[in-house]
Amino acid sequence: KQEVTQIPAALSVPEGENLVLNCSFTDSAIYNLQWFRQDPGKGLTSLLLIQSSQREQTSGRLNASLDKSSGRSTLYIAASQPGDSATYLCAVRMFSGSARQLTFGSGTQLTVLP
Amino acid sequence: DAGVIQSPRHEVTEMGQEVTLRCKPISGHDYLFWYRQTMMRGLELLIYFNNNVPIDDSGMPEDRFSAKMPNASFSTLKIQPSEPRDSAVYFCASSLTGSEQYFGPGTRLTVT
Repeated sequence: KQEVTQIPAALSVPEGENLVLNCSFTDSAIYNLQWFRQDPGKGLTSLLLIQSSQREQTSGRLNASLDKSSGRSTLYIAASQPGDSATYLCAVRMFSGSARQLTFGSGTQLTVLP
Repeated sequence: DAGVIQSPRHEVTEMGQEVTLRCKPISGHDYLFWYRQTMMRGLELLIYFNNNVPIDDSGMPEDRFSAKMPNASFSTLKIQPSEPRDSAVYFCASSLTGSEQYFGPGTRLTVT
């Protein structure tokens, strides 16, 4: 059974810092990996989707990398801003049949201090 | 597009009552997913549909839970009878290909 772990559970940084959020998964036979942002009391917003054949994806100040063989992904946020404060979730989709299920990590709660 | 729409946004009900949560997926999306989020268990997939047909309902916790998708633009998740441990945020998501998913704002359910 796939397990997804995100460390740390919470992170607090001063504005302007570059930071890395970590995601690890136990079964490397993934179809793709998706990073989400969740604001308090809100739904999930998709940030980046990395296919299993890709090494990284970039969107603005965000860069997500994938090392499938080691079961790891990182989300790099450059020049962090207070508006980046949210919970960041990674989720993996297995490469198996018609499966479309996402297995989520428990998230990293990020606070960017002004 | 308005995105995935869920109603109600908040629901407070008494134990034993029937609860119906509603979802309107993004137009043209063939996949619809229902998730539940709790502090203890995080986000869990309950059931998903492809072209209005339930594909995998292995995440549905008990027979008290049921989901339907009568047409491509509407789905319901029903809990009958509701129990306090059903209190959670319920998310609906839709997808064009089954890959990248777009989530609704969620329904916060409180069962007293």
